[in-house]
Amino acid sequence: EVQLVQSGAEVKKPGESLKISCKGSGYSFTDFWIGWVRQMPGKGLEWMGIIYPDDSDTRYNPSFRGQVTISADKSISTAYLQWRSLRASDTGMYFCARHEKKGPATMFDYWGQGSLVTVSS
Amino acid sequence: SYDLIQPPSVSVSPGQTATITCSGDDLEDKYVCWYQQKPGQSPVLVMYEDARRPSGIPERFSGSNSGNTATLTISGTQVMDEADYYCQAWDNSIWVFGGGTKLTVL
Repeated sequence: EVQLVQSGAEVKKPGESLKISCKGSGYSFTDFWIGWVRQMPGKGLEWMGIIYPDDSDTRYNPSFRGQVTISADKSISTAYLQWRSLRASDTGMYFCARHEKKGPATMFDYWGQGSLVTVSS
Repeated sequence: SYDLIQPPSVSVSPGQTATITCSGDDLEDKYVCWYQQKPGQSPVLVMYEDARRPSGIPERFSGSNSGNTATLTISGTQVMDEADYYCQAWDNSIWVFGGGTKLTVL
């Protein structure tokens, strides 16, 4: 069974750093890209970026480039999303999702349970 | 940047057909997928490649994509289908989501 298990909720202060994780199991972790998606409170889904764990090739949504860092450790089947200096506007739910490609079609077929990040002074 | 536009809300009575649209420039040239998200839960893929259902998604869900509009149709809508629905397409190396449609079944 494919599973993506994310790290737990975090409460941080503005300016602090944070790294959340997403551990894949039930499939070959290095064969699929992993994407990160933000959902701010009461709002829609926003694609942040994506990483190929086998070689750590990473692509970012221009809106998020420079704001976050996506990385992966294939030895432990885990992808990460990291902030160096959090802002209150980073408050939200963050999902990781496995990217699947069937021919020319692309989709995120399995999702983690989400990691809630709250940034407040 | 590429935008996908969805109506904020759609209402339907149980047993009736719900239609949720997603509009974007030349959308028919891209493959669209749809996600269902219930309150407090992660999104679930309900349609991909415009009109293909993943395993486990009921047959009452169907999809199409023509011109500038993709459509998710739920036939015989059930109360359990009440959720937010998001369309998604891939454009110029960016995965774009629509703003989401809240489907109310009452």
